[in-house]
Amino acid sequence: EVQLLESGGGLVQPGGSLRLSCAASGFTFSSYALSWVRQAPGKGLKWVSTISGSGGSTYYADSVKGRFTISRDNSKNTLYLQMNSLRAEDTAVYYCARPYTSGWAGCFDPWGQGTLVTVPS
Amino acid sequence: EIVMAQSPATLSVSPGERATLSCRASQSVSSNLAWYQQKPGQAPRLLIYGASTRATGIPARFSGSGSGTEFTLTISSLQSEDFAVYYCQQYNNWPPYTFGQGTKLEIK
Repeated sequence: EVQLLESGGGLVQPGGSLRLSCAASGFTFSSYALSWVRQAPGKGLKWVSTISGSGGSTYYADSVKGRFTISRDNSKNTLYLQMNSLRAEDTAVYYCARPYTSGWAGCFDPWGQGTLVTVPS
Repeated sequence: EIVMAQSPATLSVSPGERATLSCRASQSVSSNLAWYQQKPGQAPRLLIYGASTRATGIPARFSGSGSGTEFTLTISSLQSEDFAVYYCQQYNNWPPYTFGQGTKLEIK
C-alpha cells in the first residue's frame, strides 16, 4: 500500500523556522516527483512546491520562493520542506502528495494525512 | 498562472438526487483536469483525472466531463457519504498547479 506520513508541524513564532518531513512507503520513491500542498484553516488547497525524483529540479509558488526549500533523501524515502522566515499567512495544514498517473507530473494521489503549522499574528 | 473558478460555492441537494458541479479555467487546460473530494479533517481524495476517468475505487455514480476551459462533475444519485467539499485542479500548465476555490455540497 502506498503511504505518505507527514510530521514536524507545530507552533512557531513569526520569523521562525520549521522543517517538515514526509515519510513514504509502498512505491519506488526515487521514481516519483513529490509535492507539498497547503490548506489554510477553512480555506482551499494551494500548491507550495514540487521536487523531481532525483532532487535535481525544484519548483516553488511565488508566495514561498526564497523562504522555503524542498528537498528529499532517496536513501531514506523521505521528503522535506524547510520553512524559514515564517509568516502568519503560512499557517496551514501541509500535505505531501505524489502524482497519480506518472512519475513526474499530474494530479495527486495519494496524499498524506497532513501536518499543521501555526504561526500566530 | 491559470485561474480555476468553481460554481456554485455551495450546492444544496437532497439524498438520491443528482448534483452538478462546475469548474472553469481561465485558459485551456486540455483534458488535464482533476476532481477531488474532501471531508472535514481528512486529506483530499482523488475522484476523477483526465477530466473524465474515475480513479481506482471511485463509484460509478461519479462522472466527469468537459475539455478546454469548461468542466463538470456529476454525482448521479447522492449518498450520505457524498456530502463534502469538492475541488478541481488543473495540471496542464505548471508551475503552479492551481485549484478551484471549492464547492461545498450540503444536504438539503
